Amino acid sequence: AQKVTQAQTEISVVEKEDVTLDCVYETRDTTYYLFWYKQPPSGELVFLIRRNSFDEQNEISGRYSWNFQKSTSSFNFTITASQVVDSAVYFCALSEAKDSGTYKYIFGTGTRLKVLA
Amino acid sequence: DAGVIQSPRHEVTEMGQEVTLRCKPISGHDYLFWYRQTMMRGLELLIYFNNNVPIDDSGMPEDRFSAKMPNASFSTLKIQPSEPRDSAVYFCASSFRVAGAEKLFFGSGTQLSVL
Repeated sequence: AQKVTQAQTEISVVEKEDVTLDCVYETRDTTYYLFWYKQPPSGELVFLIRRNSFDEQNEISGRYSWNFQKSTSSFNFTITASQVVDSAVYFCALSEAKDSGTYKYIFGTGTRLKVLA
Repeated sequence: DAGVIQSPRHEVTEMGQEVTLRCKPISGHDYLFWYRQTMMRGLELLIYFNNNVPIDDSGMPEDRFSAKMPNASFSTLKIQPSEPRDSAVYFCASSFRVAGAEKLFFGSGTQLSVL
């Protein structure tokens, strides 16, 4: 069965520090997709990145970077030089492609990041 | 595009009352998801639809919860009778699947308080 674990419930850092949010997933499928979403204080979830199971290449987008390692079933998210505006709840998600052509999205419990000025 | 639209934004009701949450997905999207968010359990998938057909409702907590999607532009999540433990933020999300799992577009959520 699908499962996404975000063991860090809450993290506090001081502005300009680097921070890594952990995500560990479980799946029996060979084809799957991993995602990160951000939920700022306003409440609406916003998509950040998608990775498929065949692409282990790490990705960098500005201050954000993602490290995907199939060997450890992890998809970790690092924010470099954090800013107060990065304060939010971050969710990792997993989706598996079904033979029926449908897919199902499962989210982790989220990590609340507080960046202090 | 207007995005995913949910109504109402806030709902306060008394235990035992019927509650109906509404969602209008983005036009052209063929998947619709209902999630519930609580501090203890995070984001839980309740049910999802593909082309208006319910695919998996295994996350629906109990028979008091029901969801419908009568057409491609409208879905409801109903709780009858409501209980205090149903208090949560309920999100609707939609997506359009092309070659793989696509990102979800979320509505602003409905904050439900059952007294």
